[in-house]
Amino acid sequence: DIQMTQSPSSLSASIGDRVTLTCRASQSIGSDLNWYQQRPGKAPKLLLYAASTLQSGVPSRFSGGGSGTDFILTITSLQPGDFATYFCQQSYSNPYSFGQGTKLEIK
Amino acid sequence: QLQLQESGPGLVKPSETLSLTCSVSGASISSNNYFWAWLRQPTGKGLEWIGNAYYNGDTYYNPSLKSRVTISVDTSKNQFSLKLTSVTPADTAIYFCARRHIIPATVDYFDYWGQGILVTVSS
Repeated sequence: DIQMTQSPSSLSASIGDRVTLTCRASQSIGSDLNWYQQRPGKAPKLLLYAASTLQSGVPSRFSGGGSGTDFILTITSLQPGDFATYFCQQSYSNPYSFGQGTKLEIK
Repeated sequence: QLQLQESGPGLVKPSETLSLTCSVSGASISSNNYFWAWLRQPTGKGLEWIGNAYYNGDTYYNPSLKSRVTISVDTSKNQFSLKLTSVTPADTAIYFCARRHIIPATVDYFDYWGQGILVTVSS
């Protein structure tokens, strides 16, 4: 099974900041990596797929990169609604696994 | 607009079977572009993919749960269902249904989710 590890587990930032979240796979997964945002009490929302493709309707402040085992999610100009938990997920092989999440909190 | 809605009991006794249904509205479940998936999330923890089904009945499961899981599709009702047998308190979680986008083959992601339903396993 492929293990997904996210860092940091939590991050404090201010409105308007730029932040970068990291996701590492235990083996190469090409670009088969998706990012989701989850607000408290809500279902996850797809942000990016195939490592760097922005899902329709998602602001361009969100961007992703990486391939192989190392991936990043960058959020520029943080807005109040961006303070949430972010999960990465590999779609390379069964079982399709998620990272443990990075909780982005307001400083 | 596609919507998914989970339904079923919120409390299941240990050793019994957890049964949930996901009703799909706004699109037909009989599409060859998608799988229909179940995932779960223990409170305050990460997400686990349980498995998914194709409209023709083909299924794929997480090996860790495969011996206890059945996912089925009812195209006449535009619904799909989850059955998890022999549950224990470790199966307590929020259960989500979701659409898994698989066409073209170069992309694969969960793009629409239900709101989730909390299922507690307790006597």
